[in-house]
Amino acid sequence: GAVVSQHPSWVICKSGTSVKIECRSLDFQATTMFWYRQFPKQSLMLMATSNEGSKATYEQGVEKDKFLINHASLTLSTLTVTSAHPEDSSFYICSARDQAPRGPNTEAFFGQGTRLTVV
Amino acid sequence: KQEVTQIPAALSVPEGENLVLNCSFTDSAIYNLQWFRQDPGKGLTSLLLIQSSQREQTSGRLNASLDKSSGRSTLYIAASQPGDSATYLCAVRRINFNKFYFGSGTKLNVKP
Repeated sequence: GAVVSQHPSWVICKSGTSVKIECRSLDFQATTMFWYRQFPKQSLMLMATSNEGSKATYEQGVEKDKFLINHASLTLSTLTVTSAHPEDSSFYICSARDQAPRGPNTEAFFGQGTRLTVV
Repeated sequence: KQEVTQIPAALSVPEGENLVLNCSFTDSAIYNLQWFRQDPGKGLTSLLLIQSSQREQTSGRLNASLDKSSGRSTLYIAASQPGDSATYLCAVRRINFNKFYFGSGTKLNVKP
């Protein structure tokens, strides 16, 4: 299947600093990528939909200025957690769908996730 | 609103057993349903994708069924192995919504 690569796989940062997480589709192009957050022993919560060349669409309750998303190319989306606090510590996962074939029925592929710990 | 429920939340079985994981969803207007596997601290691995027009999909020892009208899907695992131990998530893609709705998962433990 298609490969979605996420980097870094884990990161520890100090409170108040910013952290950038990258999500790449390695063998396909994705006009849309998705960013999820997962708390321990819970399911995935969609944070935002990243659209290539345009602004991201955020889910209700997700702070746009806190979680900056950039989707500058068809193979790369980045999530930047700004001014991180301990409560931002979580597991972040990105997802992408191959834009070809077209249509909503294509399979979604997920990155390996990034464990963020804010100390 | 689409709600996805998975039962049971956890399951422990001896090696070799056949087992069924359940997923139910409230809105039958879906494009497709996808089953995933997640190992601890890892991302998601896609197992099976069932389109709304399909009844089932098979891959090796895995078989997933979909009854869209009743809002149910099952994942059947034949001859379970310790390597099958993981959390299994189902997700539906709702028509006119460009996102997945995930269940809370079933944590499976297959004992040697």
